[in-house]
Amino acid sequence: QPALTQPASVSGSPGQSISISCTGTSSDVGTYNLVSWFQQHPGIAPKVIIYEVNKRPSGISNRFSGSKSGNTASLTISGLQAEDEADYYCYSYTGSRTVGVFGGGTKLTVL
Amino acid sequence: EVQLVQSGPEVKKPGESLNISCKGSGYAFAGYWIGWVRQPPGKGLEWMALIYPDDSDIKYNPSFQGQVAISADKSTNTAYLQWSSLKASDSAIYYCARVYGAHTIDYWGQGTLVTVSS
Repeated sequence: QPALTQPASVSGSPGQSISISCTGTSSDVGTYNLVSWFQQHPGIAPKVIIYEVNKRPSGISNRFSGSKSGNTASLTISGLQAEDEADYYCYSYTGSRTVGVFGGGTKLTVL
Repeated sequence: EVQLVQSGPEVKKPGESLNISCKGSGYAFAGYWIGWVRQPPGKGLEWMALIYPDDSDIKYNPSFQGQVAISADKSTNTAYLQWSSLKASDSAIYYCARVYGAHTIDYWGQGTLVTVSS
């Protein structure tokens, strides 16, 4: 199962907004509204920040938002803060016969 | 409170067997899929396999089928990931995760570091 495609790195200054793309195919992102995004700080387990394309779990800041168009999902972080510096992974459901698929991960640097 | 608590770090030699565990609490363990995710040092996340503890239905990532075995014991609310013969390339952090509807990860274990070295 090929991974979903994410940029290797993105950066932004405090207060700015950034977006991270996640490109899949018509077999995953394009068919299912079941895309999640995870934030992972060094040495810590990933944490879900967006699920089902654009829903936020309880306790996640509304600075995080998700969207999808065709085979590409996107995570937008507005009002960047130093604590947002982390790795971000997208994930998509791929159907009932298989496990899902992750993106390769994007390292966010807050300048 | 939903919790997934994994077993501790392991150091093994190539060719040895290994069994790591993930114990769920705070929810109906048998009714949610549990998945295992591999993260090699400095690299990204890879789905390995999913299991539904209530009936032990299993889905494997084809890349890992035959390389590992996944099981679950609903009487002890514990899922397992097993190797019969480890390789150096199995060195990684392994996370378990709760997956509802077989499609959405909502909780993660803390991870188990496995080091395989001669």
